[in-house]
This record gives sequence, structure tokens and C-alpha cells, in this order.
Amino acid sequence: ETGVTQSPTHLIKTRGQQVTLRCSSQSGHNTVSWYQQALGQGPQFIFQYYREEENGRGNFPPRFSGLQFPNYSSELNVNALELDDSALYLCASSWRAGEKLFFGSGTQLSVL
Amino acid sequence: GENVEQHPSTLSVQEGDSAVIKCTYSDSASNYFPWYKQELGKGPQLIIDIRSNVGEKKDQRIAVTLNKTAKHFSLHITETQPEDSAVYFCAASMEYGNKLVFGAGTILRVKS
Repeated sequence: ETGVTQSPTHLIKTRGQQVTLRCSSQSGHNTVSWYQQALGQGPQFIFQYYREEENGRGNFPPRFSGLQFPNYSSELNVNALELDDSALYLCASSWRAGEKLFFGSGTQLSVL
Repeated sequence: GENVEQHPSTLSVQEGDSAVIKCTYSDSASNYFPWYKQELGKGPQLIIDIRSNVGEKKDQRIAVTLNKTAKHFSLHITETQPEDSAVYFCAASMEYGNKLVFGAGTILRVKS
């Protein structure tokens, strides 16, 4: 059974650019959630996808968007990057919405 | 919205001693309380969780207690080992595994 995998592991972007982060959910899991973890803080909920539909969103602006594909993998897109977007972005999957979350190792995004 | 406070922010214990981390939550509607362990360069790993209809849960050296009246829950680690050194996060949710709200984390150092 494979766990949650994320790519890339590290990324450096310039303010104003756009970025796409990718996540493959754990085998058998149909729900994907994305979290942002700033340095020294706990993760913050961005949004969740269940069966390719957004199923809840945290307090993040519309320039944070996502997709879930038929194979349950997912993308997080961030437009018009700001310096404060620098953080570890975590993807978590669960076998269905509302069940235990299993996290990937994250993508470390640095915005210069 | 829900707010989770976690104490202490750092905790140093001698190998073999017990460690206790405490969290309080603000919304009495929260019904799910997981604990995650995060090692350097890795994503959070679920170590134990409890639902609001249970007061205590134990898994080998780890236990979690929940006091719904006081709105607080605690993680207890007995017979600590150096490999227990990590950052520990508590979280709360009103929708079981959905939309977790995390505490700020506790850095646990186990000295050998």
C-alpha cells in the first residue's frame, strides 16, 4: 500500500508567479485535503476535494484553487504568489470524507 | 470558528519519564480530536485519535483523555524514548476528519 506522495518536494518562485503542486492519494482513498503550514505553526486547512468536487474551504482567497482527478490525485494551484505564501504545503488523504487523515511529506514553497 | 490552544510550546523530559501535552478547544460542537507527530522534513503522522463519545483511549505507551465539559484534551506518553522527540500537534474538528483545526505544536525533547 503506497502512502500519500507529493511533488515537487521543494520549489522556489518569484512574487506574482503561479505555482501548481501535485498530490497522489493513498491507495483506496477518495478524499484529498490541502493544508498550509507556515514555519513554527500548525497546519491550516485550505480545502478538501471529495469525488472531484470541492467539499469545504478554509479562510483562503480565491487565488488558491484546486482540482481532483478521476484517479483521486489532486492539484493545488496558487496564482499571483505573495511573500506570505512561503510555507510547507501538505496534502492529506482519507478513504472517505470525514475519516482519518494521512499526510504526505509536503512541498516546501519559497516565494522571493 | 474553532480555536485550539496547545501547551506547553516546548517540553524536555528525561528518557523513561512521562510527557503530557494539553489542548483546549473553543467550540463545543467539535467531535473529533486527533494527535499528530511531525519529525523534521516529514509530514504529520497520526498517532492516536479520539471521538467525543469516548473519554479515554490508549495505544501502548500513548493515551489521550478528553474532558468535554471543560473542553480540553491531553496526550500522555509514558516511558519516553529518544525517538519520541518530535513536534506534536493536537487538532479538533466538528466534522470528524474534515477541516481539522490544529494547535500551534509542542516540541518534545527526550534526553538520554
